[in-house]
Amino acid sequence: AQTVTQSQPEMSVQEAETVTLSCTYDTSENNYYLFWYKQPPSRQMILVIRQEAYKQQNATENRFSVNFQKAAKSFSLKISDSQLGDTAMYFCAFMKQRSGNTPLVFGKGTRLSVIA
Amino acid sequence: EPEVTQTPSHQVTQMGQEVILRCVPISNHLYFYWYRQILGQKVEFLVSFYNNEISEKSEIFDDQFSVERPDGSNFTLKIRSTKLEDSAMYFCASRDPGQGQFEAFFGQGTRLTVV
Repeated sequence: AQTVTQSQPEMSVQEAETVTLSCTYDTSENNYYLFWYKQPPSRQMILVIRQEAYKQQNATENRFSVNFQKAAKSFSLKISDSQLGDTAMYFCAFMKQRSGNTPLVFGKGTRLSVIA
Repeated sequence: EPEVTQTPSHQVTQMGQEVILRCVPISNHLYFYWYRQILGQKVEFLVSFYNNEISEKSEIFDDQFSVERPDGSNFTLKIRSTKLEDSAMYFCASRDPGQGQFEAFFGQGTRLTVV
């Protein structure tokens, strides 16, 4: 079974600074996808960024980027130029790459507070 | 932009009552999911659904739960006899099985409170 571990229950960062959220996972699969989802106080789950395991290049989406280390099974999220609107729970998630309807496996989340 | 919609946003029910949570997935998506998040805890997979049948279910999804796609647009989760511990946020998600499409899109959630 796959597991996802987020070792930082809470983090805070000053506005405009950079913060990195950690995620490690355990799997015997070789092909899979990794995701970071944001859950603001409204509780909606919003996709931030995704990474295919077969791609060596780290994914980036504007101020959000990942550091994907496949051998170490590590998938950290870097938020640059943090904004007050980035305050949210952040969940790391794993999905096997198989034909069919495979579900997401989530970590426990990191609560990020951006301070003015 | 197409989105997954869930109704109601908040449901309060008495213990032992049946509830039905409704979801309208994105129209061209074929993979559907229900997840649950007990307050302050992680998001847990309940069930996945494709081609009018359950693809996979977790150990949480016991006999009191059922899912259905009664028509071409709705995807429902029924809890037959609610317990206090069913109080949680329930998220519906859908995914396009097309080539290169692998992210799941979530609805805004239904907060279920069992009293």
